[in-house]
Amino acid sequence: DTGVSQNPRHKITKRGQNVTFRCDPISEHNRLYWYRQTLGQGPEFLTYFQNEAQLEKSRLLSDRFSAERPKGSFSTLEIQRTEQGDSAMYLCASSPGGVLNSPLHFGNGTRLTVT
Amino acid sequence: GDSVTQMEGPVTLSEEAFLTINCTYTATGYPSLFWYVQYPGEGLQLLLKATKADDKGSNKGFEATYRKETTSFHLEKGSVQVSDSAVYFCALALSPNSGNTPLVFGKGTRLSVIA
Repeated sequence: DTGVSQNPRHKITKRGQNVTFRCDPISEHNRLYWYRQTLGQGPEFLTYFQNEAQLEKSRLLSDRFSAERPKGSFSTLEIQRTEQGDSAMYLCASSPGGVLNSPLHFGNGTRLTVT
Repeated sequence: GDSVTQMEGPVTLSEEAFLTINCTYTATGYPSLFWYVQYPGEGLQLLLKATKADDKGSNKGFEATYRKETTSFHLEKGSVQVSDSAVYFCALALSPNSGNTPLVFGKGTRLSVIA
C-alpha cells in the first residue's frame, strides 16, 4: 500500500492559465474522489468516480473544471482560465468500492496559488 | 442540505487534559459519522467512525458516540498528548441506500497540546 499520490505538491500560476493535477489512487481502490479545501474550511466535495465512470459532480465544479479517469486508475483534474478564487488545496482520495462505509484514503494534496 | 457543525478552534490544552470537540449534524437520511484527523504536513486520515445510533467509535484513546436524539458525535479523549496536536474534522456520509456516498465535512477544529 503506497498510499494516494498527488502531483504536483504545489502549483503557482497566473490568472487565466490552465492547470492540470494528477492523482494516483491506491491500486485496488475503484472509487476516486476530488475535494477542495480552502484555509480554515473543511474539504468540499467536487466529484467522484467509480472506476472510469464519473458518478457525481458538485455544483462547485463549474464548467471551467473537468475531471477524468480514463482507464479507471489515475485521475486528472483540469482547471481552465484559472481565477484567484481557485486558489486552494485540491485533495484526492480513494476507497474500495462495494465495502460499506469504507474509509477514504487521502493524498497530501496539491496546493494551487493563482496570482 | 446535509451539513456538519463543529466547534470553532483553536483549542489549546495542556498535556494530560481532557478533550471534547463538539460535532452536530443535519441529515435527511441515516448517516454514518466519522472523525478524520490531519497531522501537520500529512493528509487526512480516518480516526474513528460509527455507522448507526448508539454506536461508539474508538481509536488511539479517542472516542465518539453516535447520538441520534441530539444529532451529535462529540469527540473525546481522557488525556491528550503533545502528539495529538492536529486538525480534527467531523464528517458524515449518507447511507448507501440513498445513493449519495461522498463525505460532508465540518470546518475542522485545530488542537494544540502544550507540554
